[in-house]
Amino acid sequence: QAGLTQPPSVSKGLRQTATLTCTGNNNNVGNQGAAWLQQRQGHPPKLLSYKNNDRPSGISERFSASRSGNTASLTISGLQPEDEADYYCSAWDSSLSTWLFGGGTKLTVL
Amino acid sequence: EVQLVESGGGLVQPGGSLRLSCAVSGFTFSSYCMHWVRQPPGKGLVWVSRICSDGTTTTYADSVKGRFTISRDNAKNTLYLQMNSLTAEDTAVYYCAREQMSFDYWGQGTLVTVSS
Repeated sequence: QAGLTQPPSVSKGLRQTATLTCTGNNNNVGNQGAAWLQQRQGHPPKLLSYKNNDRPSGISERFSASRSGNTASLTISGLQPEDEADYYCSAWDSSLSTWLFGGGTKLTVL
Repeated sequence: EVQLVESGGGLVQPGGSLRLSCAVSGFTFSSYCMHWVRQPPGKGLVWVSRICSDGTTTTYADSVKGRFTISRDNAKNTLYLQMNSLTAEDTAVYYCAREQMSFDYWGQGTLVTVSS
């Protein structure tokens, strides 16, 4: 099965913790790991993590990524209103020789 | 400061052509692979194409192979995407992005609308 699968939406309360998932296969997430990007409404995507849990400079420690087998996860702790956004996972697929994006998860902070 | 600025988008008729540009600054352009990623209105991100630093290694999504050509001019710090035989399914915001471990810097995007 090609592609990366993300749940379309997740809703959590202010200051709660949200965990977003991204499921691929042995040729992408399971082999290469996944990156996570945040896209706020009307803005370009922003890289949050890569190689499963390395964060670019300036990204809050509230964002933590991990991987188990073919599923990558992004955990956002202490949810803030500004965390409301679309979140995408991305991975290189060594079988397809192509970069893949998940369909995105819309995070709503209640 | 790293900056990527796309240009060249607009309204084009089905079957037409368009060339997008991405002017970069704030880093050594010639040292990085670069990508084009698109986002149809209201939908998710879709990878389009990649070109590595010397310009000879290129990769394309199946949906654009044979119609789109990615290129770069390292002397001008500019990335290009030549798009031919455009269809309504190519309507999207087109982003250029730098590759470092993943897509670490993005431009603001340029909108391409294919419609008669």
